[in-house]
Amino acid sequence: EAGVTQFPSHSVIEKGQTVTLRCDPISGHDNLYWYRRVMGKEIKFLLHFVKESKQDESGMPNNRFLAERTGGTYSTLKVQPAELEDSGVYFCASSQDRPGGGTDTQYFGPGTRLTVL
Amino acid sequence: AQSVTQLGSHVSVSEGALVLLRCNYSSSVPPYLFWYVQYPNQGLQLLLKYTTGATLVKGINGFEAEFKKSETSFHLTKPSAHMSDAAEYFCAVSDWRNTGKLIFGQGTTLQVKP
Repeated sequence: EAGVTQFPSHSVIEKGQTVTLRCDPISGHDNLYWYRRVMGKEIKFLLHFVKESKQDESGMPNNRFLAERTGGTYSTLKVQPAELEDSGVYFCASSQDRPGGGTDTQYFGPGTRLTVL
Repeated sequence: AQSVTQLGSHVSVSEGALVLLRCNYSSSVPPYLFWYVQYPNQGLQLLLKYTTGATLVKGINGFEAEFKKSETSFHLTKPSAHMSDAAEYFCAVSDWRNTGKLIFGQGTTLQVKP
């Protein structure tokens, strides 16, 4: 069974440009999470989808970030326009959707390293 | 608010020595606690988790952790380090609303010396 995949693995863009990150969760996983790690800091939650619905987007930094999950399958995270402080590693994770799902194992992708120059 | 503190951003041990990675949490409700490991160029992988029940939790690769409510700790241990254990380790607590949102500590990089 394929794990969580993310594309691209690395992206280098200039300030003001747009970047779109993609995440493909494990098949059948209804929960999809985005996290970000800025250099030297802890991994921080960005948002949570259940199927195609945004369950919690309290961690999104500002309105330059837009996440979508079309048809409840893959998800994209768009940053437009990118700023220097957006640099970091963006992780995606997925888990099954079961009652009391807070204890379910989240399976993480390898991350996308975004560098904004 | 919930939080996680990992003492020591870098820990170095000799091969065969005890591994002890410290994690303290803050939570107003009974926590769900996790340890994840990240090997170079890979995603985070679950080592072990505590939800309810037995406070000593055994995980993969010989790691274990003990939930101590009185000390608000969830330290990770392994009796004998292997070179392959060199990685970054993250302690995390699940959000109090039990939605699955994880709150991470800063991470600890484990170096294993031959």
